[in-house]
Amino acid sequence: AQSVTQLGSHVSVSEGALVLLRCNYSSSVPPYLFWYVQYPNQGLQLLLKYTSAATLVKGINGFEAEFKKSETSFHLTKPSAHMSDAAEYFCAATLQGAQKLVFGQGTRLTINP
Amino acid sequence: DAGVIQSPRHEVTEMGQEVTLRCKPISGHDYLFWYRQTMMRGLELLIYFNNNVPIDDSGMPEDRFSAKMPNASFSTLKIQPSEPRDSAVYFCASRLGLAGPYEQYFGPGTRLTVT
Repeated sequence: AQSVTQLGSHVSVSEGALVLLRCNYSSSVPPYLFWYVQYPNQGLQLLLKYTSAATLVKGINGFEAEFKKSETSFHLTKPSAHMSDAAEYFCAATLQGAQKLVFGQGTRLTINP
Repeated sequence: DAGVIQSPRHEVTEMGQEVTLRCKPISGHDYLFWYRQTMMRGLELLIYFNNNVPIDDSGMPEDRFSAKMPNASFSTLKIQPSEPRDSAVYFCASRLGLAGPYEQYFGPGTRLTVT
């Protein structure tokens, strides 16, 4: 069965530092992959998606993610953290033809001033 | 577009009462999903519909939960009777089936507290 694992339930970085949130998937074929962000008391908002085209995907708010098939990973990065990036981030995957999204358990990002 | 609309945003009820959560998907979207989010279990898919027809309800926790989609612009999730362990944030999401690759658009959620 397909699964998504996010390493680290809580990540803390200083303002201006690199943000790296890790996501690994298990699937026999490369899935479609997504990163969502959830701000406090809000729903999930799509940050970016991998669609089997370019392996480096750019999203909103300066985030990007790289699909690495050999590592079955789709890590999310941002060169310089901003206080407004504090939120919970979810990695999700689905297979072509499937309707369900499989979510990771989420990573809470804290930004220190 | 107004996005996915959910009501109410907050619901506080007593154990044993009936609770109805409402969702209006994005116009034109033909898939609708109901999720539950808790600290302990994270995001769980409860049920999803395609063209108003329930396709997979394997995530519905028990018979106290039921969901309907009487038309393309409205869905309800009902809990009867409610229990304290049902306290969670319930999200509705929708997507357009013909448009890959399957990103879902989420509503703001309903925070349910059962006392």
